[in-house]
Amino acid sequence: AQSVAQPEDQVNVAEGNPLTVKCTYSVSGNPYLFWYVQYPNRGLQFLLKYITGDNLVKGSYGFEAEFNKSQTSFHLKKPSALVSDSALYFCAVRPLAGGFKTIFGAGTRLFVKA
Amino acid sequence: DTGVSQNPRHKITKRGQNVTFRCDPISEHNRLYWYRQTLGQGPEFLTYFQNEAQLEKSRLLSDRFSAERPKGSFSTLEIQRTEQGDSAMYLCASSLSTQETQYFGPGTRLLVL
Repeated sequence: AQSVAQPEDQVNVAEGNPLTVKCTYSVSGNPYLFWYVQYPNRGLQFLLKYITGDNLVKGSYGFEAEFNKSQTSFHLKKPSALVSDSALYFCAVRPLAGGFKTIFGAGTRLFVKA
Repeated sequence: DTGVSQNPRHKITKRGQNVTFRCDPISEHNRLYWYRQTLGQGPEFLTYFQNEAQLEKSRLLSDRFSAERPKGSFSTLEIQRTEQGDSAMYLCASSLSTQETQYFGPGTRLLVL
């Protein structure tokens, strides 16, 4: 079965420290990969995506993510966390074979402490 | 900035009643998606439209659920004979066929009593 795993329910980091939010996936073939962020009482906002090319992709608000094909991972990173980064982060995968379905992980809550 | 809009934002209904939700995508977007999100979970894909054609439906979409996009613009999602298990946030997203980025609306929160 195709799936996306975000192994950490919550990540705690101090402001100014680097952060990593982990994502691994299990799909057939080469997928498109995405990160979205959800703030309280707001819809999901697109952060970044990997389609093809350079394994390191840069996105909004200073976030970046690294695609690792051998480990089937797409971890989200930021060199220096801000308190305002505290939110719920979702990794998503669209398998290229078999339709337009996008599969989301269960989400990781990021808490950045001042 | 006219993003994706959804109406109503909240809906409380009694079990057995029918409800209908509306999604207005970004105007030039020809792809439209519906998702359901329950507490502590990520969005679950329900269905996908390209223009007015419904091209994919999830097994989650039982016979009580129906979605339309009659003119390739706005879409409606109807749930007939609602059950308590239908309580969730229903999300709509749209995108261009030339891009893969989906833009989400604020969602409609459904509570079935």
